[in-house]
Amino acid sequence: DAGITQSPRHKVTETGTPVTLRCHQTENHRYMYWYRQDPGHGLRLIHYSYGVKDTDKGEVSDGYSVSRSKTEDFLLTLESATSSQTSVYFCAISGGERGGDNQPQHFGDGTRLSIL
Amino acid sequence: RKEVEQDPGPFNVPEGATVAFNCTYSNSASQSFFWYRQDCRKEPKLLMSVYSSGNEDGRFTAQLNRASQYISLLIRDSKLSDSATYLCVVNRMDSSYKLIFGSGTRLLVRP
Repeated sequence: DAGITQSPRHKVTETGTPVTLRCHQTENHRYMYWYRQDPGHGLRLIHYSYGVKDTDKGEVSDGYSVSRSKTEDFLLTLESATSSQTSVYFCAISGGERGGDNQPQHFGDGTRLSIL
Repeated sequence: RKEVEQDPGPFNVPEGATVAFNCTYSNSASQSFFWYRQDCRKEPKLLMSVYSSGNEDGRFTAQLNRASQYISLLIRDSKLSDSATYLCVVNRMDSSYKLIFGSGTRLLVRP
């Protein structure tokens, strides 16, 4: 499996609190992504990064921010969590040294986040 | 129209059966195509890439029809362990590295 670690794996918190999820990779891949997965919606892209300090919004970015200060770490922050952000969050990476952009993505184990 | 569409299933088949899934995509300029497998409460895992000429990996065969904009996955001699959700994946219109994931087709293989 690709060297991707997500932390925490599970978290329960209250509405209005800040939450930060971490994705750490040991593969030196260029691109990193944050998705959320909800029943009936499949995987939806929240934010992505195409390099250190280079990030952009995905299709469901409202209420989320990201940062990538070094190649291996991509942080997702919910500034003030809401119940609608209860979901499973997956980090993914792509863009290894061997290929160009047209590469598959590899996923971390996911973080189950519950906002009460 | 969704950018990637799949029949949600479930497909309920006996062990040893052959089952086929289709997926349609809307962006005629797409260049990257993949099938992923996702087990319940787990992360998606790459099953295979899909090439223009079609490709096979053991019991799994993937085909791409660019003219009709659909992708297929054929599973022969189904095993109980093949039970999972299969995601069709295509690159986004505005990017070669961002992907769109279909909602998945659920497969149940029964003894």
